[in-house]
Amino acid sequence: QIYLVESGGGVVQPGGSLRLSCAASGFTFTSCGMYWVRQAPGKGLEWVAYIRKDGHAQYYADSVKGRFTISRDNSKNTVYLQMNDLGIEDTALYFCAKDVPDVVAFDYWGQGTLVTVSS
Amino acid sequence: EIVMTQSPATLSVSPGERVTLSCRTSQSVSNSVGWFQQRPGQAPRLLIYGASTRATGTPARFSGSGSGTEFTLTISSLQSEDFAVYYCQQYNDWPPWTFGQGTKVEMK
Repeated sequence: QIYLVESGGGVVQPGGSLRLSCAASGFTFTSCGMYWVRQAPGKGLEWVAYIRKDGHAQYYADSVKGRFTISRDNSKNTVYLQMNDLGIEDTALYFCAKDVPDVVAFDYWGQGTLVTVSS
Repeated sequence: EIVMTQSPATLSVSPGERVTLSCRTSQSVSNSVGWFQQRPGQAPRLLIYGASTRATGTPARFSGSGSGTEFTLTISSLQSEDFAVYYCQQYNDWPPWTFGQGTKVEMK
């Protein structure tokens, strides 16, 4: 059974930072690219960041480029999202998801962790 | 960036009805389209990938079709558990990976 379990969300003031984690199990972590996707309250899905299976390539949505950093620790089967200079517009439920390389993106998702940016 | 446009925004239907959801892309994405179901309070779940291949565990009443810029998700006979929001998504040209705005299937 594949599991993706996010953690690290919470309430933070504008300009603050948070680090999200996603612990993976039930599949060969080193064979899969990993994503972060967010969903603002009552809104649709927005891709945020992607990291290749070997960790040597990362991509970011324009809305977070320069503020967010995705990384992974293949020895811990965990992917991270470091979020700096948070704004109210970053308030959302953050999901991690995995791919099947060269087949499909986002084939399994975690349940999400909520980030609230508020003064 | 490839823009995904779903229609309609909301569909009001009764259990047992046949449902057709549409997704259009701003440029050709071949067959690199996935469909996701999101029930209230839950994470999205992959239903269809490659435009027409059912993911593991997807009931046979769900089918996908299309290629290029026009795609369709069909539910042959709507069940109560199918009331949800459905998103299409392209993975042919990235980054960014883009989603449609969603179609809400609600009870009539």
